[in-house]
Amino acid sequence: GENVEQHPSTLSVQEGDSAVIKCTYSDSASNYFPWYKQELGKRPQLIIDIRSNVGEKKDQRIAVTLNKTAKHFSLHITETQPEDSAVYFCAASMGGTSYGKLTFGQGTILTVHP
Amino acid sequence: DGGITQSPKYLFRKEGQNVTLSCEQNLNHDAMYWYRQDPGQGLRLIYYSQIVNDFQKGDIAEGYSVSREKKESFPLTVTSAQKNPTAFYLCASTTSGANTGELFFGEGSRLTVL
Repeated sequence: GENVEQHPSTLSVQEGDSAVIKCTYSDSASNYFPWYKQELGKRPQLIIDIRSNVGEKKDQRIAVTLNKTAKHFSLHITETQPEDSAVYFCAASMGGTSYGKLTFGQGTILTVHP
Repeated sequence: DGGITQSPKYLFRKEGQNVTLSCEQNLNHDAMYWYRQDPGQGLRLIYYSQIVNDFQKGDIAEGYSVSREKKESFPLTVTSAQKNPTAFYLCASTTSGANTGELFFGEGSRLTVL
């Protein structure tokens, strides 16, 4: 089955700095890669996703890059703000009728210091 | 107000007892999922259902059971056969079809075995 590894497990940055979280996956058949943000005590929420026919996607301060050859994808947050502090999860699935059958990474605890 | 409702939010169980977690959605989503969240391990898929009266095992189905008698409801039973049931359980749903993907999560149920 699919295996997703996520690094780092914790990340601490100063407000205004950039943050990068990296994930690798094992199954070359995976073609859908979402990122979820989970604030303390709350439900995970999708912040951005990318499909295998795209190499990069950006939404305001958040961007995701995908390298299918190397089987890794990354989340980039620029100009970080304290409200970006949360746990971030990467995930992978085969799409199609299996979009929701996600294999998640272990999570990254991001702390943004004012 | 559309969404996914999980109950109870907190549940305590004695060893050897079965317990059922409720999940109801009014988003008219076809597919529903149960994930388990443990510290440092991300989310792991327990069971999923893509249509009424049909469901499939996920990665960690042992010790759990589900039913899908109605489109809106997907209850999860944690049986006494589950060796380590203390965890945070998240129910989610998504639409079916091409180019969908976002999982909508409930607020979760925290189960503690005493």
